[in-house]
Amino acid sequence: DAGVTQSPTHLIKTRGQQVTLRCSPKSGHDTVSWYQQALGQGPQFIFQYYEEEERQRGNFPDRFSGHQFPNYSSELNVNALLLGDSALYLCASSGSDRQETQYFGPGTRLLVL
Amino acid sequence: GQNIDQPTEMTATEGAIVQINCTYQTSGFNGLFWYQQHAGEAPTFLSYNVLDGLEEKGRFSSFLSRSKGYSYLLLKELQMKDSASYLCAVRDPSSGYSTLTFGKGTMLLVSP
Repeated sequence: DAGVTQSPTHLIKTRGQQVTLRCSPKSGHDTVSWYQQALGQGPQFIFQYYEEEERQRGNFPDRFSGHQFPNYSSELNVNALLLGDSALYLCASSGSDRQETQYFGPGTRLLVL
Repeated sequence: GQNIDQPTEMTATEGAIVQINCTYQTSGFNGLFWYQQHAGEAPTFLSYNVLDGLEEKGRFSSFLSRSKGYSYLLLKELQMKDSASYLCAVRDPSSGYSTLTFGKGTMLLVSP
């Protein structure tokens, strides 16, 4: 049973560029949440996707957008990258029930120069 | 608002017991989670409390007091591999669905 997978594992970009990160949820899960974790901080919620729609959004600017596909996989897009976007981006999957535990993928480490 | 506090760092000796505390102030409450995160890796789920009391799972136990907005994670028979960051997270239904609000994490260093 495959867990949550993310790609790529590492990425280096320059300011102003755009980036797309990918996530495949754990088998049987249909809800995907994205988090940003800066060094030395806890993860911060970006948004959550369910049934191919953004169901909930955290306090992040519109430069952060996402998508969910019919197979429940998801993408996170960040436009006009800033130095402060350098972080570990975590994808977590869960079932659709509000009581479900979230399971995290290995993350994508993004460095913006 | 939402506020989750936990100590920044703790140290302990191999074989000992350590308790990591977490206090929270959130608009609502629908469960408290503990995750373990090794450096550069993803958080892995350790425990979940939604009712008051102690949940035991092997060497790890987690306690919750909703009236006090307080939880702790107890690690017994510490091993070197337990050196990691421990994240306390609250599920707050006022934030919507199953989203989690995390503390900054407690870095635990286990020494021989």
